[in-house]
Amino acid sequence: KQEVTQIPAALSVPEGENLVLNCSFTDSAIYNLQWFRQDPGKGLTSLLLIQSSQREQTSGRLNASLDKSSGRSTLYIAASQPGDSATYLCAARMIKAAGNKLTFGGGTRVLVKP
Amino acid sequence: NAGVMQNPRHLVRRRGQEARLRCSPMKGHSHVYWYRQLPEEGLKFMVYLQKENIIDESGMPKERFSAEFPKEGPSILRIQQVVRGDSAAYFCASSAMTGGENEQFFGPGTRLTVL
Repeated sequence: KQEVTQIPAALSVPEGENLVLNCSFTDSAIYNLQWFRQDPGKGLTSLLLIQSSQREQTSGRLNASLDKSSGRSTLYIAASQPGDSATYLCAARMIKAAGNKLTFGGGTRVLVKP
Repeated sequence: NAGVMQNPRHLVRRRGQEARLRCSPMKGHSHVYWYRQLPEEGLKFMVYLQKENIIDESGMPKERFSAEFPKEGPSILRIQQVVRGDSAAYFCASSAMTGGENEQFFGPGTRLTVL
């Protein structure tokens, strides 16, 4: 059974500092891994999708890496801003699972202090 | 191209009532997924449907919960005789194809409160 873990559960940094968010998964047989942002009381915004054949994806200040062999993905957010404060979720889509379902981590709650 | 639509956005029910949550997938998408987010918890898969078929309902509670995706109209998640523990955010996602590489796009969610 796939388990996805995000540590730490919460993170507080001063504005301008780089953010490093970790995601680990127990089963490396994945199609892809996706990072989302969720603001309080809101839905999910997809940030980056990394296919299993890729090592990283970049979008603006965001960079996500994937190391299937070690079961890890890392989301980097450069030069953090107060507007980056949110909960960040990672989710893995397993090859073996019927139904293409996503398995989510518990999220990392980020606070960027001005 | 409108995104995934869910309604209502907020739903309040008293214990014992029925809750119906609707999801309209993105245009051209025929695969729908429902996830539940309990307070202070991550999202958990509930059910995966294609038009007129339930493909995977391994995450659905065995009683009181049902889902459908008819040939015409939105997907419906139905909760009968709601209890306080059903209070959660329910998210719907859709994808265009069945391959695992395909991205799921999420709706804004329905927040169910059971009094």
